[in-house]
Amino acid sequence: EAGVTQFPSHSVIEKGQTVTLRCDPISGHDNLYWYRRVMGKEIKFLLHFVKESKQDESGMPNNRFLAERTGGTYSTLKVQPAELEDSGVYFCASSQEPRTGTQYFGPGTRLLVL
Amino acid sequence: EDQVTQSPEALRLQEGESSSLNCSYTVSGLRGLFWYRQDPGKGPEFLFTLYSAGEEKEKERLKATLTKKESFLHITAPKPEDSATYLCAVQVSGGSYIPTFGRGTSLIVHP
Repeated sequence: EAGVTQFPSHSVIEKGQTVTLRCDPISGHDNLYWYRRVMGKEIKFLLHFVKESKQDESGMPNNRFLAERTGGTYSTLKVQPAELEDSGVYFCASSQEPRTGTQYFGPGTRLLVL
Repeated sequence: EDQVTQSPEALRLQEGESSSLNCSYTVSGLRGLFWYRQDPGKGPEFLFTLYSAGEEKEKERLKATLTKKESFLHITAPKPEDSATYLCAVQVSGGSYIPTFGRGTSLIVHP
């Protein structure tokens, strides 16, 4: 069974540019999460999809971040325009049942904004 | 505010030298506590879930325990392949199921 995949693995962009990150969850997992880890800090929650609906987007830092999940399958996270403080590692995770707390993480996208 | 604090930040062990990692938490109510392992360049990999004080879980050389204020991840006779960052996260009762993570303990086991 394929795990959670993320693309790209790395992205280096300049301040003001746009970047789109993609996440493909494990097949059959309705729950999809985005997280971010800034260097030296803990992993922080960004938002949670159940199928194609946003269940919780309380962690989204501001309106420069836009997440979508087309047809309840893959998800994209767009940052427009990117700022220096957006640099970090963006993780995607998926799960079948949120109550168990067991989430399967992707390898992350390392974003560097110059 | 819910808080998860892990200590130490970094730990170096010799192969075979047993030790423990600590995760202390301050939450309004605990639904579950999770341990993850993260290798460089990879995402966190789930290890254990603990739900109530006194509970223990084991996997190979790892044993996780839980009290009302903290959790320990005991590593018995570690091997170099146990080197990784170990993350603790808590799920708060009465709220969403979104976990709050600690910053992790970076473990290096020397041969």
